[in-house]
Amino acid sequence: EPEVTQTPSHQVTQMGQEVILRCVPISNHLYFYWYRQILGQKVEFLVSFYNNEISEKSEIFDDQFSVERPDGSNFTLKIRSTKLEDSAMYFCASRKGVSLNEKLFFGSGTQLSVL
Amino acid sequence: DQQVKQNSPSLSVQEGRISILNCDYTNSMFDYFLWYKKYPAEGPTFLISISSIKDKNEDGRFTVFLNKSAKHLSLHIVPSQPGDSAVYFCAAQGGYALNFGKGTSLLVTP
Repeated sequence: EPEVTQTPSHQVTQMGQEVILRCVPISNHLYFYWYRQILGQKVEFLVSFYNNEISEKSEIFDDQFSVERPDGSNFTLKIRSTKLEDSAMYFCASRKGVSLNEKLFFGSGTQLSVL
Repeated sequence: DQQVKQNSPSLSVQEGRISILNCDYTNSMFDYFLWYKKYPAEGPTFLISISSIKDKNEDGRFTVFLNKSAKHLSLHIVPSQPGDSAVYFCAAQGGYALNFGKGTSLLVTP
């Protein structure tokens, strides 16, 4: 079965540094998402992306965050100046369409640790 | 603001018995509900869903029940198997995003 691929699986960075988390969504999917899960808390929506633009974003997704689809396969999340509270597991997800019965497929996540 | 709540952080069930995982939501605009299962070091995987126009959906050992008036849904797993041990997330769809609960960690013991 096709899957969403995320790299790296673990990322350690110093506070204030920029990080880029990479994702390769499933190839025929059109809608892309980033979610995150802080340890012990719920999975939180960050942003959705369709047709090369953000379609929805949460309050968490402030000016420090940006997303990009630089080519036909990658979907990246950039955090410009990381803070300690950005430490979390970041999940990329994709789906073929946005109708209710279209499944959302998640990657295995990137564990970001900000020191 | 927790729009989707899973009040039981953990549940332990014996193999062969029924597992019942509960979920409550606050936003009456949610129109689609899903359960995801997550193993350690993996992303959530879709398990089963239900539209707000239904009150029950069944798929093999998994059944989801929706009580719209109570804003409550539950996932029943019967019979439970050790391989079902995982964290189960309830999610509700509003707009493009899924709103997740905090998850319930299910342990099925032999």
